[in-house]
Amino acid sequence: SAVISQKPSRDICQRGTSLTIQCQVDSQVTMMFWYRQQPGQSLTLIATANQGSEATYESGFVIDKFPISRPNLTFSTLTVSNMSPEDSSIYLCSVMGGGQPYEQYFGPGTRLTVT
Amino acid sequence: EDKVVQSPLSLVVHEGDTVTLNCSYEVTNFRSLLWYKQEKKAPTFLFMLTSSGIEKKSGRLSSILDKKELFSILNITATQTGDSAVYLCAVTNTGNQFYFGTGTSLTVIP
Repeated sequence: SAVISQKPSRDICQRGTSLTIQCQVDSQVTMMFWYRQQPGQSLTLIATANQGSEATYESGFVIDKFPISRPNLTFSTLTVSNMSPEDSSIYLCSVMGGGQPYEQYFGPGTRLTVT
Repeated sequence: EDKVVQSPLSLVVHEGDTVTLNCSYEVTNFRSLLWYKQEKKAPTFLFMLTSSGIEKKSGRLSSILDKKELFSILNITATQTGDSAVYLCAVTNTGNQFYFGTGTSLTVIP
């Protein structure tokens, strides 16, 4: 299994500002994923971040709003730009399992509240 | 459209009860079905199922997959208050995409 940490664990931000969330993994992984979980809803994939290439965004998510960096095989950042209250959510990064295929391991999450 | 549907949406039981959570799916090029337990923020992995009829078991939790009828169940016996959580079902396809259900919120009352 992989050990994943995220920073910050929570934040309260004003609308119109931006927040960058960091995700650190204790081993090298090819694919990292960013999810959003809005209150009372399931996980929604924002994008897949591969090292050395542009992130792949899911329908409804765009790079201008959620820019992602993936500078190496153990680290990624997700920025939530020009925030509005609708962006209030838990943001999770995850990685694919190495020993057990198709498992995903999740970071502890970042709880974002936009006022 | 690929989708995963879980039922019930929520469940309240007393300690010691047995619960069955359901997950049905319509996902093209199915690869595996996974169950997660989500407390507070991050989901934790419980089971991965790829073959029909083979029960996976871990303590009081067990799960089985029916690939013909496209569903899975998660059983929890002798429930404890620590089992209170949201249980998520996810299905992967051969393209490594994950489709999550909305989850079942389980509350176990002492």
